[in-house]
Amino acid sequence: EVQLVESGGGLVKPGGSLRLSCAASGFTFSTYSMTWVRQAPGKGLEWVSYISSSSGYIHYADSVKGRFTISRDNAKNSLYLQMNSLRAEDTAVYYCATGISVAVNYFDYWGQGTLVTVSS
Amino acid sequence: EIVLTQSPATLSLSPGERATLSCRASQSVSNLLAWYQQKPGQAPRLLIYDASHRATGIPARFSGSGSGTDFSLTISNLEPEDFAVYYCQQRSNWPPITFGQGTRLEIK
Repeated sequence: EVQLVESGGGLVKPGGSLRLSCAASGFTFSTYSMTWVRQAPGKGLEWVSYISSSSGYIHYADSVKGRFTISRDNAKNSLYLQMNSLRAEDTAVYYCATGISVAVNYFDYWGQGTLVTVSS
Repeated sequence: EIVLTQSPATLSLSPGERATLSCRASQSVSNLLAWYQQKPGQAPRLLIYDASHRATGIPARFSGSGSGTDFSLTISNLEPEDFAVYYCQQRSNWPPITFGQGTRLEIK
């Protein structure tokens, strides 16, 4: 069974940092690209970042470029999102997602999400 | 950046009725469009990809159509569990991948 489990969310002050993790199981993690998507409270879905299977291709939304860093450890079946210089507008549930039975950049598997709250 | 505009914002229907949701792209995305369903407190669920292909395990009452800039998601014979928020998403021209703002399907 495919599982994606996010962790690392919490309350952080503006300007602070947080590192999210996504533990993957039930599929060959090293062969699939991974994506972070976020959802502010009561709002829609926003794509945050993409990393290819071998980490050779990485992309960010303009809203997080220069502040967030996506990475992965294929030996540990884990995806990460290092978030620095956090702002109030980064408050959201962060999901990791991937496409296993569908093409790249469609998402048929999602984690349950982890809530990041940026507030003083 | 490709902007996806969904309409209506809210759709009020009764169980057993037919729902038609629209997604319009600011430029052509060919058929590289997906639809997701999201219920409160849950992650999104992929329903349709490549505009018209149902994802694994999705009931046949869900169907997608369209190409280029205009797309539709149709839910025939609404079931109580279908009342949720629906999002479209394009993967044609990225980064960034973009989502529509969502359509809330509510019980009338």
